[in-house]
Amino acid sequence: GAVVSQHPSRVICKSGTSVKIECRSLDFQATTMFWYRQFPKKSLMLMATSNEGSKATYEQGVEKDKFLINHASLTLSTLTVTSAHPEDSSFYICSARGFGDHTEAFFGQGTRLTVV
Amino acid sequence: DAKTTQPPSMDCAEGRAANLPCNHSTISGNEYVYWYRQIHSQGPQYIIHGLKNNETNEMASLIITEDRKSSTLILPHATLRDTAVYYCIVRPANAGNMLTFGGGTRLMVKP
Repeated sequence: GAVVSQHPSRVICKSGTSVKIECRSLDFQATTMFWYRQFPKKSLMLMATSNEGSKATYEQGVEKDKFLINHASLTLSTLTVTSAHPEDSSFYICSARGFGDHTEAFFGQGTRLTVV
Repeated sequence: DAKTTQPPSMDCAEGRAANLPCNHSTISGNEYVYWYRQIHSQGPQYIIHGLKNNETNEMASLIITEDRKSSTLILPHATLRDTAVYYCIVRPANAGNMLTFGGGTRLMVKP
């Protein structure tokens, strides 16, 4: 299957700082990328959908000014957690899909964010 | 508004077939059934998908009932590495490929 690379896999940051997470599609062009977060023993929750070259669409309850998403190219999307707080500690996962209606989505390996 | 129902957990003996059920009684005609799995602390991995015909690939088989209201994912010879949470997802054809995850089934493969 296609490869989606997410970096970093693990990050610890201090409260009040910002953290950037990258998501790259390595062998296909991703027209759409999705960002999820997952709390321990819970399912994935969609945060936002981003299309290359346009603004991201955020799910209800997700603060767009706190979770900045940039999808500047067909192979790269970034999620920046701004002014991080301990409650932002979570597992963040990106997903990417290529062209066509039924192209399955491929997921990155996830980023474990811990805010101390 | 969950679209799929799965048992929260299942056990399977190593080497035996693992049959994971999923109910999707409100599925509509243009919706596909997708299966993903998530091994601990990793991103979800695509397994298989289908519309109405049974499907098989190198990982698993997908059996969809004739009325499409339920399906079964079959891992023919489960190994310890198949221990994971398995998600059954119903997705409309033109939903931009957004995947909505339910609770999934936590499969424990035991030696």
